[in-house]
Amino acid sequence: AQKITQTQPGMFVQEKEAVTLDCTYDTSDPSYGLFWYKQPSSGEMIFLIYQGSYDQQNATEGRYSLNFQKARKSANLVISASQLGDSAMYFCAMRESGGSQGNLIFGKGTKLSVKP
Amino acid sequence: GAGVSQSPSNKVTEKGKDVELRCDPISGHTALYWYRQSLGQGLEFLIYFQGNSAPDKSGLPSDRFSAERTGGSVSTLTIQRTQQEDSAVYLCASSLVGTGLPDTQYFGPGTRLTVL
Repeated sequence: AQKITQTQPGMFVQEKEAVTLDCTYDTSDPSYGLFWYKQPSSGEMIFLIYQGSYDQQNATEGRYSLNFQKARKSANLVISASQLGDSAMYFCAMRESGGSQGNLIFGKGTKLSVKP
Repeated sequence: GAGVSQSPSNKVTEKGKDVELRCDPISGHTALYWYRQSLGQGLEFLIYFQGNSAPDKSGLPSDRFSAERTGGSVSTLTIQRTQQEDSAVYLCASSLVGTGLPDTQYFGPGTRLTVL
């Protein structure tokens, strides 16, 4: 079973509007972290925002915020006031604290296109 | 400070040849990760080094793949007898400690490997 599910292969948003990118996850580890990365056409993975499973408040980082609903196992990324430069692939990833591996588990990504 | 660097940025090789990909992590980061991203896909974990511990090789797809990390810093991923299905972008990441949360992973620009 997939541990990270991103159900939107592609999304369009008008410049200056807000957009929500969906991510659901599956884990039995009570301690885990959720990460969002942006991958522009240049290919580099850029870290955007982090949410810990024990964090009481939703994470925010500038125009990025995370709508974390623990009971529903969802961690949606909200981008406010979209800009043309936000056009990119966005990946949700998880790391389980109790796991023996340190690696991130990635979803398949969502391609966001911002229209002028 | 300097981020993660990788070389070469692009590599074209013929089927059956061996290739070496290099990763130089962020200074002071003890954990290093290799991932593979096939066209239009998410990232697939390959191998993980943490400090002086034995590497976690559980993600390597075959025994043609190997990696080493010398002096706790630079890492080399070697693919022997390359096959066309090895064509992908190989991404390297590093993090401060490799355990605990968040221990955010920072990625290099990747090496695009094309096997003809």
